Amino acid sequence: EAGVTQSPTHLIKTRGQQATLRCSPISGHTSVYWYQQALGLGLQFLLWYDEGEERNRGNFPPRFSGRQFPNYSSELNVNALELEDSALYLCASSHGQGAREPQHFGDGTRLSIL
Amino acid sequence: AQSVSQHNHHVILSEAASLELGCNYSYGGTVNLFWYVQYPGQHLQLLLKYFSGDPLVKGIKGFEAEFIKSKFSFNLRKPSVQWSDTAEYFCAVNRDSNYQLIWGAGTKLIIKP
Repeated sequence: EAGVTQSPTHLIKTRGQQATLRCSPISGHTSVYWYQQALGLGLQFLLWYDEGEERNRGNFPPRFSGRQFPNYSSELNVNALELEDSALYLCASSHGQGAREPQHFGDGTRLSIL
Repeated sequence: AQSVSQHNHHVILSEAASLELGCNYSYGGTVNLFWYVQYPGQHLQLLLKYFSGDPLVKGIKGFEAEFIKSKFSFNLRKPSVQWSDTAEYFCAVNRDSNYQLIWGAGTKLIIKP
């Protein structure tokens, strides 16, 4: 079974630019979660998509947005990039909506803002 | 606000030592509890989980965790660690009414051979 795949592995941008990160969930998983992991911090929840709908978002500004496609893959868009957006962005998927469903993680996209 | 605390950010042990990593949460009421592990160069993966029932749960690779409701704790244990247990360990909590996982900052465990 193929795991969660994220692309690109690394992304270098400058302040003010826009970044797009992509995630393909495990086959059969309908829920996709996005997290930000800044250096030395735990995972901070960004967004949750299920069945093409945004179900919940964390305490992040509106310039963080995303979408989920009919094939359940997902994009995370970050507009007007700031230096503090430099972090590892992790995508996870789960089978269905249950709070008890374990999340399966990708390797992440390292976003660096110069 | 809900939070999860992992008090030890770095732990260094020798092989065969016993391990206990602390996890405390601030949620009230019924919670779901998870421990995830990230081995060097690998993605995060589930180690074990607790929803209800026996408060002592067993996970993969000989790990176990005990849920103590009165202490809001879910500590991870292993009687005898191996060099291959070197990894970062994360505790996470949610509720059935709120799927959002709240994560601890993680504990980096280094096992000296």
